[in-house]
Amino acid sequence: KNQVEQSPQSLIILEGKNCTLQCNYTVSPFSNLRWYKQDTGRGPVSLTIMTFSENTKSNGRYTATLDADTKQSSLHITASQLSDSASYICVVSAGNNNDMRFGAGTRLTVKP
Amino acid sequence: DAGVIQSPRHEVTEMGQEVTLRCKPISGHDYLFWYRQTMMRGLELLIYFNNNVPIDDSGMPEDRFSAKMPNASFSTLKIQPSEPRDSAVYFCASSRTGINIQYFGAGTRLSVL
Repeated sequence: KNQVEQSPQSLIILEGKNCTLQCNYTVSPFSNLRWYKQDTGRGPVSLTIMTFSENTKSNGRYTATLDADTKQSSLHITASQLSDSASYICVVSAGNNNDMRFGAGTRLTVKP
Repeated sequence: DAGVIQSPRHEVTEMGQEVTLRCKPISGHDYLFWYRQTMMRGLELLIYFNNNVPIDDSGMPEDRFSAKMPNASFSTLKIQPSEPRDSAVYFCASSRTGINIQYFGAGTRLSVL
């Protein structure tokens, strides 16, 4: 069973709308959590990285939250743009920080 | 900086053939990672190096896979013999600081017929 579960699997929204992607994990002990954006045909690009003590972190229109107690993270995208169409991957690191667990990703499509 | 450079971008080969994927990390980065991505399994870490030394190869699927890093600016991932189930996109990533902040290449799309 994957230790990092992402939802929804795919999402379609209209340009300008907001959306929230979810990442639940069971990885323990927790070290940090990262969100990556992967455009079609490209490699993943890091959006945010959060450690245990951080509840929220923003990168432009992207805001990630982390609840280490419930082991949940979300990625909120504000005022979506067509260029936000991509896969978003949640990665959780455990233990001594060398053990990574990957979510299957959420495929976001932003339509005009 | 040109970023992480992978070659070839696409590779089509027949089952049983040897395949070699290449990666040039960002200059000054001490860590290099090889990943495989498929629709079924998502992104998987195969192996990573620190200062040209393999640190964790537990993700390498089987003996048909091997990776080398002869110097700080070059790494290869070799599959011999290749099988259709090896078809995937293979990514190389590098980092200055470790696993947390990685920069990915554009990937090599491998198709084994």
